[in-house]
Amino acid sequence: QSVLTQPPSVSGAPGQRVTISCTGSSSNIGAGYDVYWYQQLPGTAPKLLIYDNSNRPSGVPDRFSGSKSGTSASLAITGLQAEDEADYYCQSYDSVSGGVFGGGTKLTVL
Amino acid sequence: QVQLVESGGGVVQPGRSLRLSCAASGFTFSNYGMHWVRQAPGKGLEWVAVISFDGSNRYYADSVKGRFTVSRDNSKNTLYLQMNSLRAEDTAVYYCAKGGLVVFEEIDYWGQGTLVTVSS
Repeated sequence: QSVLTQPPSVSGAPGQRVTISCTGSSSNIGAGYDVYWYQQLPGTAPKLLIYDNSNRPSGVPDRFSGSKSGTSASLAITGLQAEDEADYYCQSYDSVSGGVFGGGTKLTVL
Repeated sequence: QVQLVESGGGVVQPGRSLRLSCAASGFTFSNYGMHWVRQAPGKGLEWVAVISFDGSNRYYADSVKGRFTVSRDNSKNTLYLQMNSLRAEDTAVYYCAKGGLVVFEEIDYWGQGTLVTVSS
C-alpha cells in the first residue's frame, strides 16, 4: 500500500491527451512538499520528468506538464506518442515517512 | 555528464549482510544529497534512504530503519548502503540516485541499479 495513490493503468490513442493523478494527504503533498514525476521505460532506470510540481528539466518535451492542488497532483501528457508507453511514478516527501512514491501507473498507447 | 555506478549486489542468505557502493562522477558530489531507491521484481519504486551532502543528516524508510545504514565518502565520491539482517522482502534492484542541494528535493539522476537477491 503506497503512501501516494495512483491509478494502476491509463491508456490513450496516439495524439490524445491523458492525465495521471497522484493523491496524498496532509502529511505529504498537503503539507506543502513538492511533487516530482518520473518516467520508467521497460528495463531502464527512472528518469525525472517533472520537478517542483510543474517544472520540466531540460530536454523533456512540453507535451508533459504537471500540476498540484491541495493534497493531490497530476501529470498530463498531450499529443500521445508510441514512445510515451512506460510506467509513471509520482514522488514527494512525508513528515512521518521521509521519501514516498506512488504505486506507479502503466501508460498504454493504443 | 552525471554518472552513477552501483556495485556490490548479489545473492545473500537471509539474516546476512551486504554493502552496496555507488561511484559518482560528472558533478560536485560533496554538494548534493544522495538517495537509495529500490524496486522489487515486477513492483514499483520504494524510497529507501537519503543522506545530506555532508553526511550530517540521514533519513530512512520504516521498512529498513535499524537494519540499513547510508553513508558517504566525499573524498572518494562514493555513496554506500550497509544492509544488515537481510530478509527475503529486501530482494530488489537498488538504485543510487542524486538528490538536490537539500535532502528533500528532486532526484534528478539515477544509476542503472544493482540486483540484490535474498534467498537461502
